[in-house]
Amino acid sequence: QKEVEQNSGPLSVPEGAIASLNCTYSDRGSQSFFWYRQYSGKSPELIMFIYSNGDKEDGRFTAQLNKASQYVSLLIRDSQPSDSATYLCAVNVRTGANSKLTFGKGITLSVRP
Amino acid sequence: SAVISQKPSRDICQRGTSLTIQCQVDSQVTMMFWYRQQPGQSLTLIATANQGSEATYESGFVIDKFPISRPNLTFSTLTVSNMSPEDSSIYLCSVAITGGGNTIYFGEGSWLTVV
Repeated sequence: QKEVEQNSGPLSVPEGAIASLNCTYSDRGSQSFFWYRQYSGKSPELIMFIYSNGDKEDGRFTAQLNKASQYVSLLIRDSQPSDSATYLCAVNVRTGANSKLTFGKGITLSVRP
Repeated sequence: SAVISQKPSRDICQRGTSLTIQCQVDSQVTMMFWYRQQPGQSLTLIATANQGSEATYESGFVIDKFPISRPNLTFSTLTVSNMSPEDSSIYLCSVAITGGGNTIYFGEGSWLTVV
């Protein structure tokens, strides 16, 4: 069973703090990893993707990937109330000629002013 | 990225009826997908819409319930047939943009409520 698991939430942090969102996956064949943000009543929007082990930074967001541990995380620095949303981890697994994106259940982040 | 338009954006449907959701992309894409997000849940892949061939359905989803068309590289439809309240959900069209991997982008979703 190919699964993507995220920490059960919700997660609450004060404004200006670092929010750390974690995700593990079970399929070692997974090749690419994504973080989506979903505001209430909206569709998911892509924040970041990462393919290689290590860190990838984009503004206040840093994605971290450790394939050996089958672990991917998202750090949000200087958290803002506008970051309050559900964050979905997704893992892309090749299935034959195609690939399929499997999503975790998501974690709801609340940033307190 | 791509601009993905879905219609309808929201609808209230009667039990037993069928509704077709349209998805239009502003560029040609090879891979289009349909996802469902039930209330309070994450996204579940329904099927991959293939141009020129039948859709590939995931476990738990069948063509009779969710027929899909993909007449060209910019358009697809998903029909939710014989709806029941359990089909109340957000239905999301998505496309894969290649470039070092397949990055999935979503349309704005179609919010269906079955009464």
